[in-house]
Amino acid sequence: DIVMTQSPDSLAVSLGERATINCKSSQSILYSSNNKNYLAWYQQKAGQPPKLLIYWASTRESGVPGRFSGSGSETDFTLTISSLQAEDVAVYHCQQYYRPPYTFGQGTKVEIK
Amino acid sequence: EVQLVQSGTELKKSGESLKISCKASGYSFTNRWIGWVRQMPGQGLEWMAVVYPGDSSTRYNPSFRGHVTVSADKTVSTAYLQWDSLEASDTAMYYCAAFGPDGAFFKYWGQGTLVTLSS
Repeated sequence: DIVMTQSPDSLAVSLGERATINCKSSQSILYSSNNKNYLAWYQQKAGQPPKLLIYWASTRESGVPGRFSGSGSETDFTLTISSLQAEDVAVYHCQQYYRPPYTFGQGTKVEIK
Repeated sequence: EVQLVQSGTELKKSGESLKISCKASGYSFTNRWIGWVRQMPGQGLEWMAVVYPGDSSTRYNPSFRGHVTVSADKTVSTAYLQWDSLEASDTAMYYCAAFGPDGAFFKYWGQGTLVTLSS
């Protein structure tokens, strides 16, 4: 199985400041034939199901605010919230969909400082 | 609008069987993989299995194969997750989720079904 490891496990950021979450895969999830990274990010607020934020490592899902962005390639990926808002308090999960089982990272909890 | 509506909370005992459901609407059920994700209390997400309702093909996480069965009934646009013999460690929230048209990530999610095993 491809192991996904997120860092940090939690972080506290002031309102309006940048939050950065890292996700590392145990092997490359870049498919050379289409040059796409098979990486998605989800946001899960307390008591709610996860919500898709980003796919193909950097494509924002429809309706997701522009302050959320994804970057990275092969084995190292980043989710950035450029200006943290109160409604962004949540757990964020990365997931590879390169090879089944399509494993998730352990999650990163984002709180307000 | 795509909706995935899951069956309600379950309170069961170890050794019992269980089948939970996920009714889909708002898209062509037979053309998208749909599956299940486990979230144990206070833990992360675990990809369990998916089924393609068009031909009932399945893919399992080896960690769950043999303990659960995933299926789909295209006549009622409903996916299922079942256990023949529950264990205490099956206490968790179970989400159904469906792929979008673009790739094997979960674009749509159900509200979750809480399964609790009592002693």
